[in-house]
Amino acid sequence: EVVLTQSPGTLSLSPGERATLSCRASQGVSASYLGWYQQKPGQPPRVIIYGGSSRATGIPDRFSGGGSGTDFTLTISRLEPEDFAVYHCQYYGSSPRTFGQGTKVEIK
Amino acid sequence: QLVQSGAEVKKPGASVKVSCKASGYTFANFYLHWVRQAPGQGLEWMGIMNPDDGRTTNAPKLQGRLTMTGDTPTGTAFMELSSLRYEDTAVYYCAREYRILGNGYFDLWGRGTLVTVSS
Repeated sequence: EVVLTQSPGTLSLSPGERATLSCRASQGVSASYLGWYQQKPGQPPRVIIYGGSSRATGIPDRFSGGGSGTDFTLTISRLEPEDFAVYHCQYYGSSPRTFGQGTKVEIK
Repeated sequence: QLVQSGAEVKKPGASVKVSCKASGYTFANFYLHWVRQAPGQGLEWMGIMNPDDGRTTNAPKLQGRLTMTGDTPTGTAFMELSSLRYEDTAVYYCAREYRILGNGYFDLWGRGTLVTVSS
């Protein structure tokens, strides 16, 4: 089973700043099966990045995903007010389709 | 879209059955997952169902308590969790898997069903 560890737990930033979120896998995995989801309070998650670096439909280009092997990142180049949320990474290359514990991006 | 049934309150030891009705696409063509989220916690994958043949795979920790079924004519999936414990209190989501090559990501989610286990 692949275990995903996200860091930091909470990221306190101001609008306009750059956010870098980390997702580390317990063993090397294919980036082709690494996804990122955004979740706002009271809402279900929505996919923002799939296949490690592909933006989902309607996701602005300030969001980018990268990495390989065991280390993956989600970068938000300039935070907009609507970007403050919890972000979850997921490995879906095998079962169980594990998620990381999430990173909360909050307004500083 | 995926429309889930309403909130439930159950006693410890009881069972709960949550429904997830799909619309706008062919139900049998996409794998369906169940994911739960305890209050203030992360997402926990529970299991996967192939609506076309009914085959399922559960997360190991839920083996023996989780049953996933589907009714293709109505496009509805069901998740039944038995022998409920306090720690099963969570929002339960159904999610559709979108495949390109091999396993896929979850592109469509229900709005969630709150299940509260309380005596």
